[in-house]
Amino acid sequence: EIVLTQSPGTLSLSPGERATLSCRASQSVTNSYLAWYQQRRGQAPRLLIYGASTRATGIPDRFSGSGSGTDFTLTISRLEPEDFAVYYCQQYGSSPSTFGQGTKVESK
Amino acid sequence: QVQLVQSGAEVKKPGSSVKVSCKPSGDTFNTYTFSWVRQAPGQGPEWVGRIIPILDVTNYAQNFQGRVTITADKSTSTVYMELSSLRSEDTAVYYCARGPMTTPTTWFDPWGQGTLVTVS
Repeated sequence: EIVLTQSPGTLSLSPGERATLSCRASQSVTNSYLAWYQQRRGQAPRLLIYGASTRATGIPDRFSGSGSGTDFTLTISRLEPEDFAVYYCQQYGSSPSTFGQGTKVESK
Repeated sequence: QVQLVQSGAEVKKPGSSVKVSCKPSGDTFNTYTFSWVRQAPGQGPEWVGRIIPILDVTNYAQNFQGRVTITADKSTSTVYMELSSLRSEDTAVYYCARGPMTTPTTWFDPWGQGTLVTVS
């Protein structure tokens, strides 16, 4: 199965700053079938991005995804207070679908 | 907005079984797949398996083969996950999540509120 490694483990930033999160796959992700989720404390994950770069319905345009092959990036252009959370990547190009271990974005 | 409503928290003894339900709102039962994803404390999510209700087709992650059964009751538009031979490592929040039928494996949107299963 494909192993996804996210970095950094924790990102300490201030509101208004730019956040760049990385997700690296142990082998190429078929068709760039890579999704990103946000999980706030005590809540279920929420889909942000699928197909590596397509925003899900209702997701603000400060969230953007890029990448292909084995290297993918989630960028939050200007952090809002509600963006401080844990972010997970998921590959669904190969079965079984797998998730990364998460990046926590915390307020500095 | 579609919601997936799951059954409540469970506390189980090692070696027993647990059955969790998930009921989608709206008319999406026959046009989507429904997966179960679990998340142990402090860990990333882990896909358990899925069902395509209109086809009655199931797929399971190898880690759970032989211990998990996912079913769908079309009369009540409810999806179930039963996990047997429970051990302490199965303690986790179990989520129901909807996916499109476009690809064998999919992204998940939306997710249910989660059901905490404690094995102790």
